[in-house]
Amino acid sequence: DAGVIQSPRHEVTEMGQEVTLRCKPISGHDYLFWYRQTMMRGLELLIYFNNNVPIDDSGMPEDRFSAKMPNASFSTLKIQPSEPRDSAVYFCASSLSGAPFHGYTFGSGTRLTVV
Amino acid sequence: GNSVTQMEGPVTLSEEAFLTINCTYTATGYPSLFWYVQYPGEGLQLLLKATKADDKGSNKGFEATYRKETTSFHLEKGSVQVSDSAVYFCALSSNAGNNRKLIWGLGTSLAVNP
Repeated sequence: DAGVIQSPRHEVTEMGQEVTLRCKPISGHDYLFWYRQTMMRGLELLIYFNNNVPIDDSGMPEDRFSAKMPNASFSTLKIQPSEPRDSAVYFCASSLSGAPFHGYTFGSGTRLTVV
Repeated sequence: GNSVTQMEGPVTLSEEAFLTINCTYTATGYPSLFWYVQYPGEGLQLLLKATKADDKGSNKGFEATYRKETTSFHLEKGSVQVSDSAVYFCALSSNAGNNRKLIWGLGTSLAVNP
């Protein structure tokens, strides 16, 4: 398996523009997580899905952020409008349900810079 | 609630030195415990895990033992290399129901000098 695939790897955009980050989880994994990492705040869970359904979106910072998972092999995280404080590395991760729990597999991340 | 506490970094060692990164946790029940590693410019990778008390996880020369009596999961390596320079994260999963949400430590940065 190719692992968790994220695109793009790098994104530079101007303040106010819409940004869409994409993730393809490992085939067969039924959990998908979106994280944000910054030097100031560390690793933050934004939202996670189980079987394509959002389970916990309490980490989504504000209404400018939205996430969807239209099918088991694709998810998007959208920021509209983007702001400079959204600059961070965004990671997607996937995992399997069932016991024992073997942890997440992370993608390589999307480095977002909003200027 | 559940929580993970890691020793603060940065940790700076010379090559071939012994490494310990402390991790303690607070959790109800019987959590699973994990160490993840993040190399510069990359995503997090699972380094090792333990799913029950007294289990020892090991990988790439790193080890950690799940100690329920001291609620700890310290990461150790007998002889570090420059290539081990990275940020190390301790994490737990409560295993309650089908909960797959990991609780993370803040990460410990390790720099190994030649």
